[in-house]
Amino acid sequence: DTAVSQTPKYLVTQMGNDKSIKCEQNLGHDTMYWYKQDSKKFLKIMFSYNNKELIINETVPNRFSPKSPDKAHLNLHINSLELGDSAVYFCASSQRDSLAYGYTFGSGTRLTVV
Amino acid sequence: GQQVMQIPQYQHVQEGEDFTTYCNSSTTLSNIQWYKQRPGGHPVFLIQLVKSGEVKKQKRLTFQFGEAKKNSSLHITATQTTDVGTYFCAGDFGNEKLTFGTGTRLTIIP
Repeated sequence: DTAVSQTPKYLVTQMGNDKSIKCEQNLGHDTMYWYKQDSKKFLKIMFSYNNKELIINETVPNRFSPKSPDKAHLNLHINSLELGDSAVYFCASSQRDSLAYGYTFGSGTRLTVV
Repeated sequence: GQQVMQIPQYQHVQEGEDFTTYCNSSTTLSNIQWYKQRPGGHPVFLIQLVKSGEVKKQKRLTFQFGEAKKNSSLHITATQTTDVGTYFCAGDFGNEKLTFGTGTRLTIIP
């Protein structure tokens, strides 16, 4: 069983479209994250949720809206996609009081905006 | 802002040679973690260091945390082709998030 699963794995779409990425974790973790990795491999945090509550919201355009229906799911909706949104988006999860085990990442969603 | 820098950005080594990547933070860290990302893969957690001056080993990998808790290093002895990938340090500044370093991409020449 995959611990943190993201769908879709690949997403190719035109500028201006709206798209969603879904993430689910079966580790029983209480905290989930979205990270963006650009073409230079820089990993930047976008959002973090703890037990469905938004706790980190970095300087991200309003076109990006996360939603956490429960602590096992964290989705990312992107409106009016732009060329600069092309990147790999990683979902991750952790247990807030057990960070000695680190973050568990999903396999990523490669988004290409054309 | 709180930043974590890594050097070198790239490292090419002959198989069997040693490899070291260094991580530096602008401010004191609560703890530091290390991750490995294989080409086309996702970051995988390797280890967490918490105490000042801490040294931990995992087989051929040695991790160190500086006395001032502002720097860290990862050393790999006698590299193998399976060590290929990008190594990231990630700093915890005590603000509920990990700030990832810029990464060191390791390639091995067989």
